[in-house]
Amino acid sequence: DQQVKQNSPSLSVQEGRISILNCDYTNSMFDYFLWYKKYPAEGPTFLISISSIKDKNEDGRFTVFLNKSAKHLSLHIVPSQPGDSAVYFCAASGTGANNLFFGTGTRLTVIP
Amino acid sequence: EADIYQTPRYLVIGTGKKITLECSQTMGHDKMYWYQQDPGMELHLIHYSYGVNSTEKGDLSSESTVSRIRTEHFPLTLESARPSHTSQYLCASSEYRDPSPLHFGNGTRLTVT
Repeated sequence: DQQVKQNSPSLSVQEGRISILNCDYTNSMFDYFLWYKKYPAEGPTFLISISSIKDKNEDGRFTVFLNKSAKHLSLHIVPSQPGDSAVYFCAASGTGANNLFFGTGTRLTVIP
Repeated sequence: EADIYQTPRYLVIGTGKKITLECSQTMGHDKMYWYQQDPGMELHLIHYSYGVNSTEKGDLSSESTVSRIRTEHFPLTLESARPSHTSQYLCASSEYRDPSPLHFGNGTRLTVT
């Protein structure tokens, strides 16, 4: 049973606009959440994380929002750039856990 | 610039062969991991290690084995490859402090014919 879900397999956005990628989780013990970006033929690259004591974390053009009551997090990219085109994975873990649970990814295409 | 290296990047091999996928990191990380990913699917943890001489199986059952004799090196071995082992294998490492993000290598895409 998948504990982290990314229900949108793909998203297309115009350059300069906002990209919003969504992620839902089912395990209430998760307290650490991450987003990874993956280009073809490369491994996932860590983008940004958030712990459950926060509801927002920002790093440049990337902001992650966490809604614990809805068990939902989102990644906002503003402004979107063509180089942002990649597959984005959401991941989650609990304190002391040995594993990150990953979603199936969302393919973002930023159209110039 | 990668601090975690996986070789080979691509491997096509016949059924029954023994293979070792190499993974090395230069960050001095204590924790290392092997994940398996099929196209369009999530990553699944197959092995992890918290330090030298420490190895554990992950959530996804795997016929592979691992060893951790040196901090920087975490090879994965398949004694007898089968077509069902065809997949992408991703190695990762992280600092010991919890929580800490994982840093991934570029992966090995294995095809068993």
